[in-house]
Amino acid sequence: DQQVKQNSPSLSVQEGRISILNCDYTNSMFDYFLWYKKYPAEGPTFLISISSIKDKNEDGRFTVFLNKSAKHLSLHIVPSQPGDSAVYFCAASGKTGANNLFFGTGTRLTVIP
Amino acid sequence: ETGVTQTPRHLVMGMTNKKSLKCEQHLGHNAMYWYKQSAKKPLELMFVYSLEERVENNSVPSRFSPECPNSSHLFLHLHTLQPEDSALYLCASSQDTASGGNEQFFGPGTRLTVL
Repeated sequence: DQQVKQNSPSLSVQEGRISILNCDYTNSMFDYFLWYKKYPAEGPTFLISISSIKDKNEDGRFTVFLNKSAKHLSLHIVPSQPGDSAVYFCAASGKTGANNLFFGTGTRLTVIP
Repeated sequence: ETGVTQTPRHLVMGMTNKKSLKCEQHLGHNAMYWYKQSAKKPLELMFVYSLEERVENNSVPSRFSPECPNSSHLFLHLHTLQPEDSALYLCASSQDTASGGNEQFFGPGTRLTVL
């Protein structure tokens, strides 16, 4: 059973507007969450992360929010730019296991100029 | 070369062939990983190596055989694969295997097709 879920396979947003990508997890032992971005023909690239002791982490246009009680996290991109068009993967890891990352299936973001 | 490189980028093989995937990291990391990404499925961790020792094997069939001769190189030897093994195989590395704040850096992947 998937422990990390991204229920929206795709999202389209106008340039300049906010993009919100969502992720849900089931394992309460996860304590670190990451977002990766993937362009075609390239490997995933680390974007931003958040520890379970925080509920928000911001880096420029990218902000990740964590709601532990709902086991939900989201990535906000504002303002969205055409270069942000990519597949975004949510990942989670726990205190045990050799830095095992559990990934979601990804959300394809298209930013329309 | 910088980052994590993988060769070949594309591979087509028959079920009776033997082939190897190669990964090299130029980041000075001590941990390396193999992942599999099948269509419409999440990335699945296959193997983890720390300082050339295998520390994780996620119930991967024996037709996949990893090898880590040093901390910069990782191989995945393939033999008698099945068509359902067709997937994108990604290699990654990180400073070590401590979880939390230990980002993994990925290579571009090898697109494998088994006929």
